[in-house]
Amino acid sequence: GDSVTQMEGPVTLSEEAFLTINCTYTATGYPSLFWYVQYPGEGLQLLLKATKADDKGSNKGFEATYRKETTSFHLEKGSVQVSDSAVYFCALSVPNQFYFGTGTSLTVIP
Amino acid sequence: GAVVSQHPSWVICKSGTSVKIECRSLDFQATTMFWYRQFPKQSLMLMATSNEGSKATYEQGVEKDKFLINHASLTLSTLTVTSAHPEDSSFYICSARLSGGAQTQYFGPGTRLLVL
Repeated sequence: GDSVTQMEGPVTLSEEAFLTINCTYTATGYPSLFWYVQYPGEGLQLLLKATKADDKGSNKGFEATYRKETTSFHLEKGSVQVSDSAVYFCALSVPNQFYFGTGTSLTVIP
Repeated sequence: GAVVSQHPSWVICKSGTSVKIECRSLDFQATTMFWYRQFPKQSLMLMATSNEGSKATYEQGVEKDKFLINHASLTLSTLTVTSAHPEDSSFYICSARLSGGAQTQYFGPGTRLLVL
């Protein structure tokens, strides 16, 4: 069945380090892919999305490219900040279904 | 755009009482809304899918008589936790999907429920 597998955390980085959070998916159709971010004590916010192969989603310095050949949607940021500390969820959407990864906790230290 | 609100953000209640949580799409119409439950440091667990004007579809293992869902309009869905018990304490998050086939879900800020 359809699913999302996300890199396990927690991840701890120093400020200005490069971030990669891996996400791979399994889907029978043509899913849309998303990254959501959850700050402590809050709901989820849509960070970026891609709806078809080779699309690149980007927002707030974060990027992810929908790669059909590797069934991946890895999240990257070139230089993280303390304010990026949060939990990041990869998600997949097919008609009438939405699947989340387990979440990756990121802590950025000054 | 695509803002979803939830009310209340925090609720503390006594065991045996019922609690209603509202989820509203503020600037768009949502034919479909979703209710999730999140335990500490875990991912979201889908509880039910709520369609405007029809009965909600519950995920396996979720008691529909305990978690009553009403999607009365295109901008409002409510979740009522009936006869709440301490094990119902959790973070409840709703989301709404734009009408018209787009698959993006927009999430509310969540409601933290503590049952004493």
